[in-house]
Amino acid sequence: DGGITQSPKYLFRKEGQNVTLSCEQNLNHDAMYWYRQDPGQGLRLIYYSQIVNDFQKGDIAEGYSVSREKKESFPLTVTSAQKNPTAFYLCASSIGGLRDEKLFFGSGTQLSVL
Amino acid sequence: QKEVEQNSGPLSVPEGAIASLNCTYSDRGSQSFFWYRQYSGKSPELIMFIYSNGDKEDGRFTAQLNKASQYVSLLIRDSQPSDSATYLCAVKKVSPNAGKSTFGDGTTLTVKP
Repeated sequence: DGGITQSPKYLFRKEGQNVTLSCEQNLNHDAMYWYRQDPGQGLRLIYYSQIVNDFQKGDIAEGYSVSREKKESFPLTVTSAQKNPTAFYLCASSIGGLRDEKLFFGSGTQLSVL
Repeated sequence: QKEVEQNSGPLSVPEGAIASLNCTYSDRGSQSFFWYRQYSGKSPELIMFIYSNGDKEDGRFTAQLNKASQYVSLLIRDSQPSDSATYLCAVKKVSPNAGKSTFGDGTTLTVKP
């Protein structure tokens, strides 16, 4: 089945530690995105990539980093510079470049601070 | 002012009623408009999208867009308890940020049997 796989489902970070969230898609989509969701709030864009080896900052990129070395993969690193990382992280993909394209979401990673 | 604002919830309707969810946006360059449904603890899934002024119907769902008023709404007819979820409005801009969707904070709907 085609889809987006995020891992792990739950992740705990110690103070000062960098952690990496995995996102893999087999939909052959060009565009991939990382969103952060805090309780009772909508999704805020962290980073997005419209093509391999290229990515852009979203609205809340500080304290995060990404890479896009393969079309299928778009890992997100939450660095120690992100002082409030506790949130639900969603990875998404889309075909790319179309006005009416929808986002396909992974099942999410809940990150908490120890 | 937030780029995308949704009517504050929670919204509660009886089973069989019409639920009306509203969304306004600030950027007149916005081109495409989406409604996603998100069950608690799950990821969002697309319900409707619209990019032309007027109404678009799909089963029990109707999306309405008024670009002059910068307003988009979602009507759910014959509401069912399974419709109880948070509904997220998303707006997509014209290039150079064509790939970027901006979300509202969501409206939580409860349908009571």
